[in-house]
Amino acid sequence: NAGVMQNPRHLVRRRGQEARLRCSPMKGHSHVYWYRQLPEEGLKFMVYLQKENIIDESGMPKERFSAEFPKEGPSILRIQQVVRGDSAAYFCASSPGQGSTKNIQYFGAGTRLSVL
Amino acid sequence: DQQVKQNSPSLSVQEGRISILNCDYTNSMFDYFLWYKKYPAEGPTFLISISSIKDKNEDGRFTVFLNKSAKHLSLHIVPSQPGDSAVYFCAASNRKLIFGQGTELSVKP
Repeated sequence: NAGVMQNPRHLVRRRGQEARLRCSPMKGHSHVYWYRQLPEEGLKFMVYLQKENIIDESGMPKERFSAEFPKEGPSILRIQQVVRGDSAAYFCASSPGQGSTKNIQYFGAGTRLSVL
Repeated sequence: DQQVKQNSPSLSVQEGRISILNCDYTNSMFDYFLWYKKYPAEGPTFLISISSIKDKNEDGRFTVFLNKSAKHLSLHIVPSQPGDSAVYFCAASNRKLIFGQGTELSVKP
């Protein structure tokens, strides 16, 4: 049973370009979460999605950032017109949403975004 | 506003001894707490969790204690092993996870 898969592992963009980060949840998990870890800081919640729905986006910056979790395919975190301050590690997590482990989130290895 | 705090950035213990990592929270509405272990350049790995209706949960060498009145939880690792050296994050759940800043544990042989 594969874990949470994120790609790419490393992404380099120049200022003003777009970054697309992908996340495939664990098999059987329908809840996806995105977190960001800035250098020298802890992980901060960004957005919580279920299939085709955004449940909580209270941690998303108001501009340039968007997320989706379509009916088919991975969840995508999209950052438009990247700036140097977007350089961070972005982690995706998934959970089953029900059952005895519904509160446990399992994390992918992360995507490290570097903006030049 | 830091709702979950880990006040010790680092901890060093001898192999075979007990490691105690602490975590404080401010929101009494949190109903589930988790500990994660993280190595550099990897994602957090789930270790152990506890519901707010319990005060202790044990899994092998790892035990989590919850003191609701003090809004405090701790992770005990005994005996500590060099492979336990990593950054440990506590998190409180209200669907999304709210993480502490992490404690870097170093277990010396």
